[in-house]
Amino acid sequence: DTEVTQTPKHLVMGMTNKKSLKCEQHMGHRAMYWYKQKAKKPPELMFVYSYEKLSINESVPSRFSPECPNSSLLNLHLHALQPEDSALYLCASSHVTYRGTEAFFGQGTRLTVV
Amino acid sequence: AQTVTQSQPEMSVQEAETVTLSCTYDTSESDYYLFWYKQPPSRQMILVIRQEAYKQQNATENRFSVNFQKAAKSFSLKISDSQLGDAAMYFCAYSPTNTNAGKSTFGDGTTLTVKP
Repeated sequence: DTEVTQTPKHLVMGMTNKKSLKCEQHMGHRAMYWYKQKAKKPPELMFVYSYEKLSINESVPSRFSPECPNSSLLNLHLHALQPEDSALYLCASSHVTYRGTEAFFGQGTRLTVV
Repeated sequence: AQTVTQSQPEMSVQEAETVTLSCTYDTSESDYYLFWYKQPPSRQMILVIRQEAYKQQNATENRFSVNFQKAAKSFSLKISDSQLGDAAMYFCAYSPTNTNAGKSTFGDGTTLTVKP
């Protein structure tokens, strides 16, 4: 299984809503990532988890709250988002030991904030 | 800080022809990895090819090959016998060896159109 599965695929939420994005992988990867991607732009790294611990937070606003309940799951909790947060949110995973491996990406969640 | 530059925002190629996408990068490291990722309209980004900087031999994966020029810090992707399914956005990415793969530095991407 070389898949990273993200749910939901599409999400529309109001600025006062609370929602969560989910990401799952069963490749034994111990590094997991959240990215934000705007149209025709490269992905921007938001958070990195290594061995289920948050290792990098790229100065992301607190309205985005990541969670890694176990080595296979990664969540992104959303609260009080702004319209400019509308984007494709990608999850990825990789081995922590870097050499010779790449990141595996999910299909993303298309988020629209209204 | 490392930077990755893709100077061609858009490229087009006729089906069955060959196209080359350009990528340059800047680093002071001597050992690192370079990647080309493909992101079709279906959104999932997948690895096309990787190159290890300490290997002089250019990587090849079926119709995809790279021209890696370490001194020039250039890493171009050649797609031979282009197919309609090759239409996608292509990202060049750089990672030093002591960094998780997901923390790569990405270029701005090149959108490839394949004409039938």
